[in-house]
Amino acid sequence: NAGVTQTPKFQVLKTGQSMTLQCAQDMNHEYMSWYRQDPGMGLRLIHYSVGAGITDQGEVPNGYNVSRSTTEDFPLRLLSAAPSQTSVYFCASTPPGQGPYEQYFGPGTRLTVT
Amino acid sequence: RKEVEQDPGPFNVPEGATVAFNCTYSNSASQSFFWYRQDCRKEPKLLMSVYSSGNEDGRFTAQLNRASQYISLLIRDSKLSDSATYLCVVSSGGGADGLTFGKGTHLIIQP
Repeated sequence: NAGVTQTPKFQVLKTGQSMTLQCAQDMNHEYMSWYRQDPGMGLRLIHYSVGAGITDQGEVPNGYNVSRSTTEDFPLRLLSAAPSQTSVYFCASTPPGQGPYEQYFGPGTRLTVT
Repeated sequence: RKEVEQDPGPFNVPEGATVAFNCTYSNSASQSFFWYRQDCRKEPKLLMSVYSSGNEDGRFTAQLNRASQYISLLIRDSKLSDSATYLCVVSSGGGADGLTFGKGTHLIIQP
């Protein structure tokens, strides 16, 4: 299994541009989440999904959209990038029956917005 | 906002020593507790869950003190490879929105 994969690894955007961060997992996990990690802050939940077709907002959803059309993929879309969205973004998935607890994280996407 | 507090460190510890650090949480209704490890510029990985009775995994021991609302992580016979940031994670139940991550404690094991 490849586990949780994320693309791209690095990205630089200009203010106002939009883009999609890709996340995929091949472990048949129903539960997937997106987090951002900023210096001096804990991981903060952006959006999450309990299965295909179902998404919900986390702590910091503004400026981001998600969709879950398949079990495997959970892309995160930045609508109009702002410098405040400069961060490291992690996607995570959880095995069935584990609730959200044991999260398998992807390697992250480092995003800079200028 | 539910709070999870950790001493950010860094803790500089000689190889072979024992080191312990705590994490305090503010929500008395918290149900589940975890330690994650994060290497520099890498993703977090689950190190161990923390059970009410305490649990041990090799050189690592985790304890929960519900009365004082803290969890602890003890590392014995520390190795250079233990150098990392240790994240405390607390769940108040429900989904991923019930998880709160601490900011992490940075541990440096020195030869």
